[in-house]
Amino acid sequence: GAGVSQSPSNKVTEKGKDVELRCDPISGHTALYWYRQRLGQGLEFLIYFQGNSAPDKSGLPSDRFSAERTGESVSTLTIQRTQQEDSAVYLCASSLVGGGYTFGSGTRLTVV
Amino acid sequence: EDQVTQSPEALRLQEGESSSLNCSYTVSGLRGLFWYRQDPGKGPEFLFTLYSAGEEKEKERLKATLTKKESFLHITAPKPEDSATYLCAVQGGTSYGKLTFGQGTILTVHP
Repeated sequence: GAGVSQSPSNKVTEKGKDVELRCDPISGHTALYWYRQRLGQGLEFLIYFQGNSAPDKSGLPSDRFSAERTGESVSTLTIQRTQQEDSAVYLCASSLVGGGYTFGSGTRLTVV
Repeated sequence: EDQVTQSPEALRLQEGESSSLNCSYTVSGLRGLFWYRQDPGKGPEFLFTLYSAGEEKEKERLKATLTKKESFLHITAPKPEDSATYLCAVQGGTSYGKLTFGQGTILTVHP
């Protein structure tokens, strides 16, 4: 596609529920990244996929967070048993190897 | 651990009043320093990548420069449409693929 697409754009969930966030990267981009942006703060790295290599999960804040990517296509970020501190904008980006990131518009997650 | 500090946190300018944003960094083996612009409710938009000290890049009213310790984003004769949050990020040699971001500078340009 022309850009990175994320869905849903907004998600309100009850504390304790699981949520799935989706990212469609730019076609041909082998690298895909998830970041979290809390209100008024910088971007916090979560996870990085590069081709068929093992993902870099070093930024995942707890075992409630997981992500998958099939080949070089869609990725899903799953948060289990959501907590209020999980409320943030979750941003996905894709790139060619070593290239600049192209970000999606993000999913705004609110846990009530 | 790679670190990025941006200053000021917020900057208010009058239209036409030139200024600079600062990005100080510590990184093990810089692979690249990136500048992004972020508008409210949107994802960051790529502006520049700088790879080595002394490098400069320009785009319209923006010019980015790089030294071994910091980068500057110079804004010449800004317009209200330049109002946004400007983010700086580094990619270090031990964290290939991962960018470490600063907190950003919120720029407001008044007409």
